[in-house]
Amino acid sequence: EAGVVQSPRYKIIEKKQPVAFWCNPISGHNTLYWYLQNLGQGPELLIRYENEEAVDDSQLPKDRFSAERLKGVDSTLKIQPAELGDSAVYLCASSLESGGHEQYFGPGTRLTVT
Amino acid sequence: QQQVKQSPQSLIVQKGGISIINCAYENTAFDYFPWYQQFPGKGPALLIAIRPDVSEKKEGRFTISFNKSAKQFSLHIMDSQPGDSATYFCAASIRTSGSRLTFGEGTQLTVNP
Repeated sequence: EAGVVQSPRYKIIEKKQPVAFWCNPISGHNTLYWYLQNLGQGPELLIRYENEEAVDDSQLPKDRFSAERLKGVDSTLKIQPAELGDSAVYLCASSLESGGHEQYFGPGTRLTVT
Repeated sequence: QQQVKQSPQSLIVQKGGISIINCAYENTAFDYFPWYQQFPGKGPALLIAIRPDVSEKKEGRFTISFNKSAKQFSLHIMDSQPGDSATYFCAASIRTSGSRLTFGEGTQLTVNP
Protein backbone atom coordinates (compact mmCIF):
# COMPACT_ATOMS: atom_id res chain seq x y z
CA GLU A 1 0.00 0.00 0.00
CA ALA A 2 1.45 3.36 -1.02
CA GLY A 3 1.73 5.90 1.74
CA VAL A 4 0.86 9.57 1.77
CA VAL A 5 2.77 11.36 -0.97
CA GLN A 6 3.85 14.97 -0.67
CA SER A 7 5.69 17.25 -3.02
CA PRO A 8 7.93 19.05 -3.19
CA ARG A 9 10.05 17.68 -0.36
CA TYR A 10 12.00 20.91 -0.03
CA LYS A 11 11.27 24.46 -1.08
CA ILE A 12 13.28 27.63 -0.67
CA ILE A 13 11.62 30.93 -1.53
CA GLU A 14 12.08 34.59 -0.80
CA LYS A 15 9.64 36.34 1.47
CA LYS A 16 6.55 37.75 -0.14
CA GLN A 17 6.61 35.03 -2.80
CA PRO A 18 3.79 32.49 -3.13
CA VAL A 19 4.30 28.78 -2.54
CA ALA A 20 2.13 25.69 -2.88
CA PHE A 21 2.35 22.20 -1.44
CA TRP A 22 0.66 19.13 -2.82
CA CYS A 23 -0.59 16.03 -1.03
CA ASN A 24 -1.91 12.72 -2.32
CA PRO A 25 -3.48 10.72 0.53
CA ILE A 26 -3.70 6.97 0.85
CA SER A 27 -6.28 5.56 -1.53
CA GLY A 28 -9.69 5.33 0.07
CA HIS A 29 -8.91 7.67 2.95
CA ASN A 30 -11.72 10.17 3.32
CA THR A 31 -10.10 12.41 5.90
CA LEU A 32 -7.11 14.57 5.09
CA TYR A 33 -5.13 16.79 7.46
CA TRP A 34 -2.54 19.49 7.01
CA TYR A 35 -0.20 20.05 9.95
CA LEU A 36 2.54 22.58 10.57
CA GLN A 37 5.64 21.42 12.41
CA ASN A 38 8.14 23.96 13.66
CA LEU A 39 11.65 22.82 14.48
CA GLY A 40 11.79 20.93 17.75
CA GLN A 41 8.05 20.96 18.25
CA GLY A 42 5.09 18.70 17.70
CA PRO A 43 2.82 19.12 14.67
CA GLU A 44 -0.10 21.53 14.90
CA LEU A 45 -3.26 21.11 12.87
CA LEU A 46 -3.95 23.70 10.20
CA ILE A 47 -6.97 22.21 8.48
CA ARG A 48 -8.96 18.98 8.25
CA TYR A 49 -11.01 17.80 5.29
CA GLU A 50 -13.79 15.26 5.28
CA ASN A 51 -13.92 14.32 1.60
CA GLU A 52 -13.89 17.69 -0.17
CA GLU A 53 -15.31 19.70 2.74
CA ALA A 54 -13.05 21.66 5.09
CA VAL A 55 -14.62 20.85 8.46
CA ASP A 56 -11.94 22.26 10.79
CA ASP A 57 -9.93 25.24 9.60
CA SER A 58 -9.96 27.26 12.80
CA GLN A 59 -6.15 27.24 13.03
CA LEU A 60 -5.52 28.20 9.42
CA PRO A 61 -4.26 31.82 9.03
CA LYS A 62 -6.74 32.72 6.36
CA ASP A 63 -5.17 36.04 5.47
CA ARG A 64 -2.31 34.28 3.72
CA PHE A 65 -3.03 30.55 3.77
CA SER A 66 -5.55 28.71 1.63
CA ALA A 67 -6.25 25.08 0.90
CA GLU A 68 -8.38 23.02 -1.38
CA ARG A 69 -9.24 19.39 -1.88
CA LEU A 70 -10.87 19.01 -5.23
CA LYS A 71 -12.86 15.82 -5.80
CA GLY A 72 -12.06 14.73 -2.27
CA VAL A 73 -8.68 13.20 -3.12
CA ASP A 74 -5.54 15.31 -3.63
CA SER A 75 -5.09 18.51 -1.71
CA THR A 76 -3.08 21.69 -2.14
CA LEU A 77 -1.99 24.09 0.58
CA LYS A 78 -0.96 27.56 -0.53
CA ILE A 79 0.76 30.47 1.17
CA GLN A 80 0.64 33.91 -0.39
CA PRO A 81 2.63 35.91 0.44
CA ALA A 82 5.12 33.88 2.47
CA GLU A 83 6.73 35.39 5.55
CA LEU A 84 9.98 34.49 7.30
CA GLY A 85 8.02 32.92 10.15
CA ASP A 86 6.42 30.43 7.77
CA SER A 87 9.65 28.46 7.58
CA ALA A 88 8.68 25.03 8.88
CA VAL A 89 7.75 21.52 7.79
CA TYR A 90 4.27 21.14 6.37
CA LEU A 91 2.88 17.67 6.96
CA CYS A 92 -0.06 16.02 5.29
CA ALA A 93 -1.85 13.10 6.91
CA SER A 94 -4.83 10.97 6.03
CA SER A 95 -7.13 8.51 7.73
CA LEU A 96 -10.03 6.31 6.72
CA GLU A 97 -12.36 8.48 8.75
CA SER A 98 -12.02 10.92 11.59
CA GLY A 99 -12.84 9.78 15.08
CA GLY A 100 -9.86 7.99 16.56
CA HIS A 101 -8.68 6.25 13.43
CA GLU A 102 -4.99 6.05 12.78
CA GLN A 103 -3.55 9.02 10.94
CA TYR A 104 -0.85 8.24 8.40
CA PHE A 105 1.62 11.04 7.81
CA GLY A 106 3.53 11.91 4.69
CA PRO A 107 7.23 12.86 4.78
CA GLY A 108 6.42 16.56 4.77
CA THR A 109 7.61 19.58 2.79
CA ARG A 110 10.38 21.58 4.40
CA LEU A 111 9.85 25.26 3.57
CA THR A 112 12.58 27.82 4.01
CA VAL A 113 11.66 31.47 3.54
CA THR A 114 14.62 33.80 3.10
CA GLN B 1 -2.41 26.89 25.73
CA GLN B 2 -0.29 23.75 25.85
CA GLN B 3 -2.75 21.00 26.61
CA VAL B 4 -0.27 18.11 26.46
CA LYS B 5 3.02 18.44 28.30
CA GLN B 6 5.80 15.98 27.57
CA SER B 7 9.00 15.18 29.41
CA PRO B 8 11.90 14.80 29.24
CA GLN B 9 12.90 16.90 26.27
CA SER B 10 15.82 14.56 25.59
CA LEU B 11 16.79 11.14 26.85
CA ILE B 12 19.94 9.06 26.53
CA VAL B 13 19.73 5.35 27.27
CA GLN B 14 22.16 2.49 26.93
CA LYS B 15 21.34 -0.41 24.64
CA GLY B 16 19.17 -2.90 26.46
CA GLY B 17 17.90 -0.34 28.93
CA ILE B 18 14.38 0.95 29.50
CA SER B 19 13.32 4.28 28.00
CA ILE B 20 10.49 6.09 29.76
CA ILE B 21 8.73 9.16 28.39
CA ASN B 22 5.94 10.90 30.25
CA CYS B 23 3.00 13.03 29.22
CA ALA B 24 0.36 14.93 31.13
CA TYR B 25 -2.83 16.38 29.74
CA GLU B 26 -5.34 18.95 30.90
CA ASN B 27 -8.48 18.37 28.88
CA THR B 28 -10.52 15.58 30.46
CA ALA B 29 -12.49 15.24 27.24
CA PHE B 30 -9.50 13.63 25.51
CA ASP B 31 -10.31 10.00 24.79
CA TYR B 32 -7.59 8.78 22.45
CA PHE B 33 -3.89 8.84 23.28
CA PRO B 34 -1.41 7.81 20.58
CA TRP B 35 2.36 7.84 20.57
CA TYR B 36 4.21 8.72 17.39
CA GLN B 37 7.80 8.02 16.39
CA GLN B 38 9.57 10.37 14.01
CA PHE B 39 12.93 9.88 12.31
CA PRO B 40 14.79 12.83 10.75
CA GLY B 41 13.32 13.80 7.39
CA LYS B 42 10.27 11.58 7.89
CA GLY B 43 6.73 12.16 9.00
CA PRO B 44 5.52 10.88 12.36
CA ALA B 45 4.47 7.22 12.41
CA LEU B 46 1.98 5.77 14.85
CA LEU B 47 3.69 3.52 17.36
CA ILE B 48 0.98 2.56 19.80
CA ALA B 49 -2.26 4.09 21.09
CA ILE B 50 -4.54 3.67 24.07
CA ARG B 51 -8.09 4.60 25.03
CA PRO B 52 -8.88 5.70 28.61
CA ASP B 53 -10.88 2.60 29.48
CA VAL B 54 -7.67 0.57 29.94
CA SER B 55 -4.67 1.26 32.15
CA GLU B 56 -2.01 -0.44 30.07
CA LYS B 57 -1.39 -1.58 26.52
CA LYS B 58 1.60 -3.55 25.32
CA GLU B 59 2.81 -4.15 21.79
CA GLY B 60 6.13 -5.91 21.56
CA ARG B 61 8.75 -3.85 23.37
CA PHE B 62 6.45 -0.82 23.64
CA THR B 63 4.02 -0.28 26.52
CA ILE B 64 1.67 2.59 27.31
CA SER B 65 0.70 3.10 30.93
CA PHE B 66 -2.34 5.29 31.49
CA ASN B 67 -3.45 6.95 34.73
CA LYS B 68 -6.82 8.59 34.18
CA SER B 69 -7.13 10.11 37.66
CA ALA B 70 -3.71 11.75 37.38
CA LYS B 71 -4.28 12.69 33.73
CA GLN B 72 -0.96 11.18 32.82
CA PHE B 73 0.30 8.55 30.41
CA SER B 74 3.71 7.23 29.61
CA LEU B 75 5.60 5.23 27.01
CA HIS B 76 8.00 2.51 28.09
CA ILE B 77 10.45 1.06 25.59
CA MET B 78 11.92 -2.16 26.89
CA ASP B 79 15.28 -3.49 25.72
CA SER B 80 15.99 -0.20 23.92
CA GLN B 81 17.97 -0.52 20.69
CA PRO B 82 20.05 1.99 18.71
CA GLY B 83 17.41 1.77 15.99
CA ASP B 84 14.91 3.24 18.45
CA SER B 85 16.83 6.51 18.39
CA ALA B 86 14.25 9.02 17.17
CA THR B 87 11.92 11.73 18.38
CA TYR B 88 8.82 10.52 20.16
CA PHE B 89 5.61 12.52 20.45
CA CYS B 90 2.66 11.84 22.65
CA ALA B 91 -0.67 13.15 21.48
CA ALA B 92 -4.29 13.31 22.51
CA SER B 93 -7.57 13.81 20.73
CA ILE B 94 -11.32 13.76 21.13
CA ARG B 95 -12.75 11.21 18.76
CA THR B 96 -16.15 12.85 18.46
CA SER B 97 -14.52 16.15 17.48
CA GLY B 98 -12.79 14.85 14.40
CA SER B 99 -9.65 13.58 16.08
CA ARG B 100 -7.69 16.80 15.99
CA LEU B 101 -4.40 15.58 17.46
CA THR B 102 -2.82 17.78 20.12
CA PHE B 103 0.84 16.86 20.29
CA GLY B 104 3.37 17.14 23.09
CA GLU B 105 6.65 18.92 22.54
CA GLY B 106 8.56 15.76 21.71
CA THR B 107 11.37 13.74 23.30
CA GLN B 108 14.58 13.11 21.43
CA LEU B 109 15.71 9.60 22.38
CA THR B 110 19.27 8.45 21.84
CA VAL B 111 20.13 4.82 22.48
CA ASN B 112 23.85 4.28 22.74
CA PRO B 113 25.28 0.95 21.53
